[in-house]
Amino acid sequence: DTGVSQDPRHKITKRGQNVTFRCDPISEHNRLYWYRQTLGQGPEFLTYFQNEAQLEKSRLLSDRFSAERPKGSFSTLEIQRTEQGDSAMYLCASGSLNTEAFFGQGTRLTVV
Amino acid sequence: QQQVKQSPQSLIVQKGGISIINCAYENTAFDYFPWYQQFPGKGPALLIAIRPDVSEKKEGRFTISFNKSAKQFSLHIMDSQPGDSATYFCAASPSYKLIFGSGTRLLVRP
Repeated sequence: DTGVSQDPRHKITKRGQNVTFRCDPISEHNRLYWYRQTLGQGPEFLTYFQNEAQLEKSRLLSDRFSAERPKGSFSTLEIQRTEQGDSAMYLCASGSLNTEAFFGQGTRLTVV
Repeated sequence: QQQVKQSPQSLIVQKGGISIINCAYENTAFDYFPWYQQFPGKGPALLIAIRPDVSEKKEGRFTISFNKSAKQFSLHIMDSQPGDSATYFCAASPSYKLIFGSGTRLLVRP
């Protein structure tokens, strides 16, 4: 296990289409986070899972966004009816109670 | 109250010099203050972190100074190298999630 893995690394989609991103955390980590980062800004918290339970959702996560973590392993983030304002880097991170958050390399979404 | 304010936005330092980045916060519930380094096209990587029960932490060329009463903390990079050129983010956490500053783009000239 070499770290947090995200797929795809890049996604270009047309406005109005749905997209889904996948995150595979470090295997022993029970905490999983999604963040969004726009150009020139710091990452912004979107949502947090502890095992399979989604414990917090940011107000940034509109109802077009949904995240899941079935069986407490990998996670998916889906964006429905994408808008140009959704263009950003979507970062996944994992951790546990006694470790810091380790980030993946992100999925860069471009909505055209 | 959830914000973390970071300055400067960009910084140019000569090789061998000291790079200093500052952050300030409002929420006294924050109890974990990490610094992340990010290279273009990569995710942020933890550099060093501190908890408010200590005023300074040093790891190699990187030092965090923490002033609890002023609600400020800073990153010092000693003997800055061209390979340190990256974007640096401070963050603060009240429990599990991180609240990030807006970042400082550091350029170390050879």
